Amino acid sequence: NAGVTQTPKFQVLKTGQSMTLQCAQDMNHNSMYWYRQDPGMGLRLIYYSASEGTTDKGEVPNGYNVSRLNKREFSLRLESAAPSQTSVYFCASRPGTLGYTFGSGTRLTVV
Amino acid sequence: AQRVTQPEKLLSVFKGAPVELKCNYSYSGSPELFWYVQYSRQRLQLLLRHISRESIKGFTADLNKGETSFHLKKPFAQEEDSAMYYCALLSGYSTLTFGKGTMLLVSP
Repeated sequence: NAGVTQTPKFQVLKTGQSMTLQCAQDMNHNSMYWYRQDPGMGLRLIYYSASEGTTDKGEVPNGYNVSRLNKREFSLRLESAAPSQTSVYFCASRPGTLGYTFGSGTRLTVV
Repeated sequence: AQRVTQPEKLLSVFKGAPVELKCNYSYSGSPELFWYVQYSRQRLQLLLRHISRESIKGFTADLNKGETSFHLKKPFAQEEDSAMYYCALLSGYSTLTFGKGTMLLVSP
């Protein structure tokens, strides 16, 4: 099992550019999540999807959009990247009652 | 609103010394708590869930509802325990709220 797969692993964007971070899980989990990790801030929830067809805002949704394409895939889009969005982005999924399974992260730099 | 507090940014100990990483929470409902570990530049891995009351890699954590704490303990630290540790609280919407993390450094 691959678990949770994120692409790309690294990305450099110029301010104002757009991009989509991809996430896919092969564990048939209902819930999927996007977090950003910043030094001294821990992990903060951007968006989540409790089930296929639903998405909800987390703690820091501004500047992001998401799509739950199907049960496996949950993408995060930056429409107009800003330097403040420089971060490490983690996707995670969760079955009904256990803890999250995380992807390996996408390290994004916006210059 | 739920909150998780990890008061120490960095904890530095010598190999063989006991370790306690502190975690306090604030939540109006029945808490479900976790410890995650992140080794250098890797993905977060689940270390412990309070529900299962298990011991992983020698670590244990007990939920103390009176003190609203879920401290992580290990009697004898090893160098390979050096990592970032996050305490996390599961809310009613099945979202995890993380503390800011504690970096554990174990020196030889």
